[in-house]
Amino acid sequence: EAGVAQSPRYKIIEKRQSVAFWCNPISGHATLYWYQQILGQGPKLLIQFQNNGVVDDSQLPKDRFSAERLKGVDSTLKIQPAKLEDSAVYLCASSLGLAELDTQYFGPGTRLTVL
Amino acid sequence: AQSVTQLDSHVSVSEGTPVLLRCNYSSSYSPSLFWYVQHPNKGLQLLLKYTSAATLVKGINGFEAEFKKSETSFHLTKPSAHMSDAAEYFCVVRGGRALTFGSGTRLQVQP
Repeated sequence: EAGVAQSPRYKIIEKRQSVAFWCNPISGHATLYWYQQILGQGPKLLIQFQNNGVVDDSQLPKDRFSAERLKGVDSTLKIQPAKLEDSAVYLCASSLGLAELDTQYFGPGTRLTVL
Repeated sequence: AQSVTQLDSHVSVSEGTPVLLRCNYSSSYSPSLFWYVQHPNKGLQLLLKYTSAATLVKGINGFEAEFKKSETSFHLTKPSAHMSDAAEYFCVVRGGRALTFGSGTRLQVQP
């Protein structure tokens, strides 16, 4: 079974530039998550989709971050404009559904460096 | 609201000796608890999860964790460390939809 795919794996940009990350979840998984992991910290949930609808985006800085999952499969996360403090690893995860014990499977992440 | 506290940011053990990674949780109701492992440049992998069916949970690679409600703890153990166990370990609590991660414990295994 193929895992969660993410691209690119690494990205270096200058502050005020824009950047986009892509995620392809495990086939058949209805729920998709984006997490931000700052160096030395645990991942923090940014946004959660159920199919193509947003379930929770309370922690997403909406003035600069946006995400979409138009067809209920792939998803993109965008930052515009980027700030120095956005340097982090962005993790995508997917699960079958929203059930309490549905396991979340994580992709390898995209490491973003903002200079 | 729920939270987890990982009591040690770094743990160093010798190969073949026991591993203990400590986690305390806070939750306003009966939580779901998980341990994830993160190897360098690899995705997070689920080690084990607490389902409330049994307080002692067995996971992959010989790891296990014991849920102690009276102590609000969910410590991760392994009888004998292997070099390949060196990684970052995260204790995670789920209440409702979101996962809340601890800050992580880096496990070093000395030869």
